[in-house]
Amino acid sequence: EAGVAQSPRYKIIEKRQSVAFWCNPISGHATLYWYQQILGQGPKLLIQFQNNGVVDDSQLPKDRFSAERLKGVDSTLKIQPAKLEDSAVYLCASSLRQALNTEAFFGQGTRLTVV
Amino acid sequence: AQKITQTQPGMFVQEKEAVTLDCTYDTSDPSYGLFWYKQPSSGEMIFLIYQGSYDQQNATEGRYSLNFQKARKSANLVISASQLGDSAMYFCAMREALHYGQNFVFGPGTRLSVLP
Repeated sequence: EAGVAQSPRYKIIEKRQSVAFWCNPISGHATLYWYQQILGQGPKLLIQFQNNGVVDDSQLPKDRFSAERLKGVDSTLKIQPAKLEDSAVYLCASSLRQALNTEAFFGQGTRLTVV
Repeated sequence: AQKITQTQPGMFVQEKEAVTLDCTYDTSDPSYGLFWYKQPSSGEMIFLIYQGSYDQQNATEGRYSLNFQKARKSANLVISASQLGDSAMYFCAMREALHYGQNFVFGPGTRLSVLP
């Protein structure tokens, strides 16, 4: 079974530029998450989708971050314009369903450096 | 308030010995799930073990076991017979039934270093 795919693996941009990350979850997984992990910290949830609907985006900085999940499969996360403090690893995860005992499977992440 | 607390930023253990990584959590929800993940230096998050709030027995998965003390709201991970490959960051996470979407909340993590 293929895992969660993310691209690109690394990205370096200048502040005020825009950037987009792509995620392809495990086939059949209805729930998709985007996390931001700043160096030395635990992952912080940015947005959660159930199929193609947003379940929770309370911690997404909506003035600069946006995300979509078209057709309930692939998802993109965009930052525009980027700030220095956006430097982090962006992790995508998926789970089969929303249930207490269902683990999330993670991709390898995209390491973003804003200079 | 922090939902998940991991008070040990770093831990050292000798190879082949056992080690306990602490996790305490905060919830008023009677129904929740607790997870432990491992993150090696390569960056991927690897699921290790799960404990449900209504589970009567402590969860075990191979060399991993979870010391679940519900009244104390703690869910410590025990790794037996440590191996060099266990060196990594370890994260405790929680899902609450009443939280809309039941999203995962992660703690700050503990860096485990296994010494030869």
